[in-house]
Amino acid sequence: DSGVTQTPKHLITATGQRVTLRCSPRSGDLSVYWYQQSLDQGLQFLIQYYNGEERAKGNILERFSAQQFPDLHSELNLSSLELGDSALYFCASSVELQGGGEQYFGPGTRLTVT
Amino acid sequence: SQELEQSPQSLIVQEGKNLTINCTSSKTLYGLYWYKQKYGEGLIFLMMLQKGGEEKSHEKITAKLDEKKQQSSLHITASQPSHAGIYLCGAVYSGTYKYIFGTGTRLKVLA
Repeated sequence: DSGVTQTPKHLITATGQRVTLRCSPRSGDLSVYWYQQSLDQGLQFLIQYYNGEERAKGNILERFSAQQFPDLHSELNLSSLELGDSALYFCASSVELQGGGEQYFGPGTRLTVT
Repeated sequence: SQELEQSPQSLIVQEGKNLTINCTSSKTLYGLYWYKQKYGEGLIFLMMLQKGGEEKSHEKITAKLDEKKQQSSLHITASQPSHAGIYLCGAVYSGTYKYIFGTGTRLKVLA
């Protein structure tokens, strides 16, 4: 158990809908990272937050947004969902500010868009 | 093209055999990380390499970062079925906070 929790574990929704994925980092970790993993694209970095502030952006679509709250949990919002958004979404956390070092991954949320 | 290329893409070995997975970067690495993923699950951190020529071991897994810091190899000695999974290298490049992952190597170990 990495100490990172993600909810829900599975999500099935229709195209055009909006969903929110939630992540609680390991106790003491200030950085939260979001990743998308699909068969054709592999593991793609989406966005990083550090202590409530956005620190780095990767291949995140404009339809997606995230935030980190004062209690350090984070949410990833996906809107106007398309079939191609079906993927595993991972959250990871680390102590460090910079996007390096050991990251602890949650179990992931499997999103299926029908 | 991918900034981090892994080879081979997949590997099937007999239990007890040694194997090597390579990770090649298109530019100089600030840090190189190896993770293991069981199918459909989260990634588990294995090792971090930062200095050129550095070598680290964890149980039967050894990873090296070459002197020029553009390639790393992961070597498993006397493989076991428990080694099966997807191995991913990850990297951070100087001047950026972005974390890039390689394409992954799927390893199957036959008992």
